[in-house]
Amino acid sequence: QVQLQESGPGLVKPPETLSLTCAVSGYSISRGYYWGWIRKPPGKGLEWIGSGHGSGSTYYNPSLKSRATISVDTSKNQFSLKLSSVTAADTAVYYCARHGEGTCDYWGQGTLVTVSS
Amino acid sequence: QSALTQPRSVSGSPGQSVAISCTGTSSDVGAYNYVSWYQQHPGKAPKLMIYDVTKRPSGVPDRFFGSKSGNTASLTISGLQAEDEADYYCCSYAGTYTWIFGGGTKLTVL
Repeated sequence: QVQLQESGPGLVKPPETLSLTCAVSGYSISRGYYWGWIRKPPGKGLEWIGSGHGSGSTYYNPSLKSRATISVDTSKNQFSLKLSSVTAADTAVYYCARHGEGTCDYWGQGTLVTVSS
Repeated sequence: QSALTQPRSVSGSPGQSVAISCTGTSSDVGAYNYVSWYQQHPGKAPKLMIYDVTKRPSGVPDRFFGSKSGNTASLTISGLQAEDEADYYCCSYAGTYTWIFGGGTKLTVL
């Protein structure tokens, strides 16, 4: 059974950098699929942030590309998100997920990150 | 990259059918058969209900049906049950390794 678990600080001060890690078990991320970050701000819908691939390639939402960095560590079977220069608008529940072109089939439970001084 | 357009809310009585639309463009929904639908209950992670426009993962009841026409995809839920009350999101591949979600639809079972 594939499982994903997000971890990282729940409070980040503006304009610092938000850092999250997603640990994957039950599947080797080097085998394939995309490994993505998705967030849900309070009262708003889901937003795809970006994804990494076991090959090392990374892909980003154009609206966040300048601030987001995703890295994939196949040796630890985990992937990470860094989002720089955060503001209150980046407050959200952040999810990691495994996905293909047409599906996100496994999700982490989500972690709330609040941006506040 | 604008969010796919979904109605903010839909409602139906138990046993009835409801449809949720998801409108994109010829660059995303209309271009690829890579539309998926997710059910999200409060405080829970999204759950995959439909993928590749029409396919149901194992364990999802056949009351959930996905379709697409042109730039609009739809999720139809028949035989509404109380546990179907949730937020529903569509997602589409938008080319060049980017994905886009809809704004979400709140389904109320009356």
